[in-house]
Amino acid sequence: DAGVIQSPRHEVTEMGQEVTLRCKPISGHDYLFWYRQTMMRGLELLIYFNNNVPIDDSGMPEDRFSAKMPNASFSTLKIQPSEPRDSAVYFCASTQSLSSRGNQPQHFGDGTRLSIL
Amino acid sequence: DQQVKQNSPSLSVQEGRISILNCDYTNSMFDYFLWYKKYPAEGPTFLISISSIKDKNEDGRFTVFLNKSAKHLSLHIVPSQPGDSAVYFCAASAGGSQGNLIFGKGTKLSVKP
Repeated sequence: DAGVIQSPRHEVTEMGQEVTLRCKPISGHDYLFWYRQTMMRGLELLIYFNNNVPIDDSGMPEDRFSAKMPNASFSTLKIQPSEPRDSAVYFCASTQSLSSRGNQPQHFGDGTRLSIL
Repeated sequence: DQQVKQNSPSLSVQEGRISILNCDYTNSMFDYFLWYKKYPAEGPTFLISISSIKDKNEDGRFTVFLNKSAKHLSLHIVPSQPGDSAVYFCAASAGGSQGNLIFGKGTKLSVKP
């Protein structure tokens, strides 16, 4: 089975440029999550979707960040304009169910390492 | 303020011995706890979980213990193997849902042959 697929794996760009990160969740998973990992703050939830609808975006740092899920098999996280402090590893994850009783843990992609110069 | 804390950034253990990774939490509403393992340049992979109605869950070499009164959980790996060398993250959520998992900053485990 294909896992969660993220692209690109690495992105280096200059400050002020638009950055788009992509994610393909596991087929049949109704929930999709975007996380950011930094040395200072660890792994933080940015936003999650259920059936393509954003449910909780309280972790999105500011208006420069936006996320979309146009269909069940694709999501994007966009940063415009990008800043050096956005440098981090961004992970996408998916799951069939949020319930802890369902024993359906989140499955993570391998992440996108983003460097803003 | 960190709600989930892994106070040991690193741990070194001899192959065959027990590895014990610790995690403390502050939010008494947390009722679901998970451990994830992460290798370099890969995403975290789920290892084991425990609900707050239990105090122990076992899966092969991995056992998670939960002490609700102390707001503490631990992951035991017995016996430790070199392939277990990775960063281990503790995570917690409330309301019987993993909709808002709060992660610790991780403990890097090195298992020496």
